[in-house]
Amino acid sequence: DTGVSQDPRHKITKRGQNVTFRCDPISEHNRLYWYRQTLGQGPEFLTYFQNEAQLEKSRLLSDRFSAERPKGSFSTLEIQRTEQGDSAMYLCASSLIQGAGSGANVLTFGAGSRLTVL
Amino acid sequence: QKEVEQDPGPLSVPEGAIVSLNCTYSNSAFQYFMWYRQYSRKGPELLMYTYSSGNKEDGRFTAQVDKSSKYISLFIRDSQPSDSATYLCATSNTGFQKLVFGTGTRLLVSP
Repeated sequence: DTGVSQDPRHKITKRGQNVTFRCDPISEHNRLYWYRQTLGQGPEFLTYFQNEAQLEKSRLLSDRFSAERPKGSFSTLEIQRTEQGDSAMYLCASSLIQGAGSGANVLTFGAGSRLTVL
Repeated sequence: QKEVEQDPGPLSVPEGAIVSLNCTYSNSAFQYFMWYRQYSRKGPELLMYTYSSGNKEDGRFTAQVDKSSKYISLFIRDSQPSDSATYLCATSNTGFQKLVFGTGTRLLVSP
């Protein structure tokens, strides 16, 4: 198990183009999270999945953003019609939730996908 | 007001110093408190976590939570240049949902 993998590590695109990021979580983890981190800020929650179900979306996730986890394994985050304000590090994390009382929700993060919109 | 407040620093200390990093939070429903370390251009990595109030020690690191004052601390003893990184506090409630992060404090340990 090599941890959480994200691809690509860095994407440079022109404003108005679409981009897609992929995340491969730790194989036995049932939860998958997407966070966004801008320079000098902490990670901000975007959305999370439990298995294939998307359970919560932040108001930060505008209509231009869509996330999927079709088979409960890997996930994709697509940004349509990118804007310069979308430039950020997009972090994926996964965790294993076994039910109430099983302890803290410990997230393991990937190295992130850095997006630069010109 | 952000749910978790953290001084962004930077905090500069000499090697061997004791470092104190702090956060405050506003939501009394938070029960789990975590510290992540993030090196430049890398993802955050978990250092340690605590449940409710109290202390937890792991090597040179000690985490403290005071729920009465909604105050979270991380102490680093005998700091090393390799400790230079951004330290993020994070909290969650008992519903095992999302983590809420502070801004992060950038720590610089000089040899």
